[in-house]
Amino acid sequence: DAGITQSPRHKVTETGTPVTLRCHQTENHRYMYWYRQDPGHGLRLIHYSYGVKDTDKGEVSDGYSVSRSKTEDFLLTLESATSSQTSVYFCAIKDSLISGNTIYFGEGSWLTVV
Amino acid sequence: DQQVKQNSPSLSVQEGRISILNCDYTNSMFDYFLWYKKYPAEGPTFLISISSIKDKNEDGRFTVFLNKSAKHLSLHIVPSQPGDSAVYFCAASATASGTYKYIFGTGTRLKVLA
Repeated sequence: DAGITQSPRHKVTETGTPVTLRCHQTENHRYMYWYRQDPGHGLRLIHYSYGVKDTDKGEVSDGYSVSRSKTEDFLLTLESATSSQTSVYFCAIKDSLISGNTIYFGEGSWLTVV
Repeated sequence: DQQVKQNSPSLSVQEGRISILNCDYTNSMFDYFLWYKKYPAEGPTFLISISSIKDKNEDGRFTVFLNKSAKHLSLHIVPSQPGDSAVYFCAASATASGTYKYIFGTGTRLKVLA
């Protein structure tokens, strides 16, 4: 258990509406990540954070923004959801103290845009 | 351009035999490699990793081999068990650069037949 909580776990939203997914961790990890998983594409990095207010783009960042105003929360926002953003979203953390360069994942958030 | 490739979408193996999952990468800066297993409706779980200073790492039934000159790594599972049936992802990171971005392949679905 990496101490990661994702919310909401399941959400259905309409095209054009804003959506925010939250990743909460309780163990003071510096690095946090957002991935999406889609058939045929595997896991693709959206954005990641290396500290409070420090974020960087991943492979598929268009249409997404992130914020990290405190260590424990990393928010992923879809400003105007599109059907192509229907996916499973996974948060991950890097736990340097215990395992060096390994990242651990949360349980996922299923998002459907109709 | 896909930096981490898993060219076999699926693999079927008889119980008790060896499963070999393959992964290729293109970025010579990658120096840390990981394998994850994923069951449906769950987050990916870490299996085993290897640093570029090694060419082999073992953990129980799981062994990862790294061939840097070929930019190729493989995961061996011996003996394979029905519970190993899952999707397996390889991942790579250029940790020496200090950015800690983890790029994943598209996954291989392993089915172990009883």
